[in-house]
Amino acid sequence: DADVTQTPRNRITKTGKRIMLECSQTKGHDRMYWYRQDPGLGLRLIYYSFDVKDINKGEISDGYSVSRQAQAKFSLSLESAIPNQTALYFCATSDRTGQDTQYFGPGTRLTVL
Amino acid sequence: GQNIDQPTEMTATEGAIVQINCTYQTSGFNGLFWYQQHAGEAPTFLSYNVLDGLEEKGRFSSFLSRSKGYSYLLLKELQMKDSASYLCAAWDSNYQLIWGAGTKLIIKP
Repeated sequence: DADVTQTPRNRITKTGKRIMLECSQTKGHDRMYWYRQDPGLGLRLIYYSFDVKDINKGEISDGYSVSRQAQAKFSLSLESAIPNQTALYFCATSDRTGQDTQYFGPGTRLTVL
Repeated sequence: GQNIDQPTEMTATEGAIVQINCTYQTSGFNGLFWYQQHAGEAPTFLSYNVLDGLEEKGRFSSFLSRSKGYSYLLLKELQMKDSASYLCAAWDSNYQLIWGAGTKLIIKP
């Protein structure tokens, strides 16, 4: 079984709709991240959480919100989706010890019409 | 500002060697990662360098020069399955990971 899972894997929605993307992990890591990836651009950090009570904005948090329901679960919400939020979204986890390597989920491809 | 530069695309031949360069400008530096990403899939960890020098892992090696703000990923004995994007990412002084846009590597028979 995959260590980091994301649901849904694909989603098509309309402008103005509220969307939630979910991430779960069985790696036992404290740290979790949400990124978006657009063609020709690097991964951009939306939000990150170093533990259940610690949530931080990343580079591009406007238009997004998150919830860390438990150590293993981190959800990303788009309150009112707009077309320029069409992208590939990745959740990642890392362990605070050592080199803090990030491990990624399979991604959610979101299309906003 | 903080920046990671790497070539957009490279082409190489099956069985050959290719070097993918990465230069970084970050406020402080705490290490550099290389990831591999096949089209439509998740990035997967390849290597981490924090000290100057070469780290070898099978067919893949990664080099770091902190004084030059430079790293490269060396892939030997290229196989068709190595066709992917290779992402360079550096930790800054606040342990924020700064990502490059990735280098798309095309392997030809």
